[in-house]
Amino acid sequence: EPEVTQTPSHQVTQMGQEVILRCVPISNHLYFYWYRQILGQKVEFLVSFYNNEISEKSEIFDDQFSVERPDGSNFTLKIRSTKLEDSAMYFCASSVVSGTQYFGPGTRLLVL
Amino acid sequence: KQEVTQIPAALSVPEGENLVLNCSFTDSAIYNLQWFRQDPGKGLTSLLLIQSSQREQTSGRLNASLDKSSGRSTLYIAASQPGDSATYLCAVHNTDKLIFGTGTRLQVFP
Repeated sequence: EPEVTQTPSHQVTQMGQEVILRCVPISNHLYFYWYRQILGQKVEFLVSFYNNEISEKSEIFDDQFSVERPDGSNFTLKIRSTKLEDSAMYFCASSVVSGTQYFGPGTRLLVL
Repeated sequence: KQEVTQIPAALSVPEGENLVLNCSFTDSAIYNLQWFRQDPGKGLTSLLLIQSSQREQTSGRLNASLDKSSGRSTLYIAASQPGDSATYLCAVHNTDKLIFGTGTRLQVFP
């Protein structure tokens, strides 16, 4: 069964460094999303992406964040200058249309 | 602003019990509602999606209902098993995004 994959599974970085989190959505899906979950808190929406552009973003998704679909399969989230409070589990999701969203296993980001 | 709440926050039951997890939301203008399962330190597994025009959806031992007008959804788990132990999340579709509840942590003991 097709699934969303994410790499790396864990990432440790120093504050101020740039990180890129990678996702491979399900191949026939058209909508892509990033969410995050700070330990012990709710899953929070960051951004949605459709037709090669951002369709919606949250207040969390400020200028430090960017997303890209560099080729036909990958979908990336870049954090330009990481802060301690960026430490969280980051989930990628995809959907065919605005319906069932399928989530990847997540990347656990730790900023020191 | 849409708020999603889940009750109870935690539940511990013996194997074989039927149980109900509750989800409430403040704004009834939703597209869909989706139930997920999350195992510790893992991703989210989609269980059921109920479209806004539907009243309920079933998958195996799971049955989810939706009452948009009252802002409520329930997830019914029949004949619970230890393997059902996980955190269950409901999420409402609001435009492109999902808005999640805080989850119900379920433990089913043998």
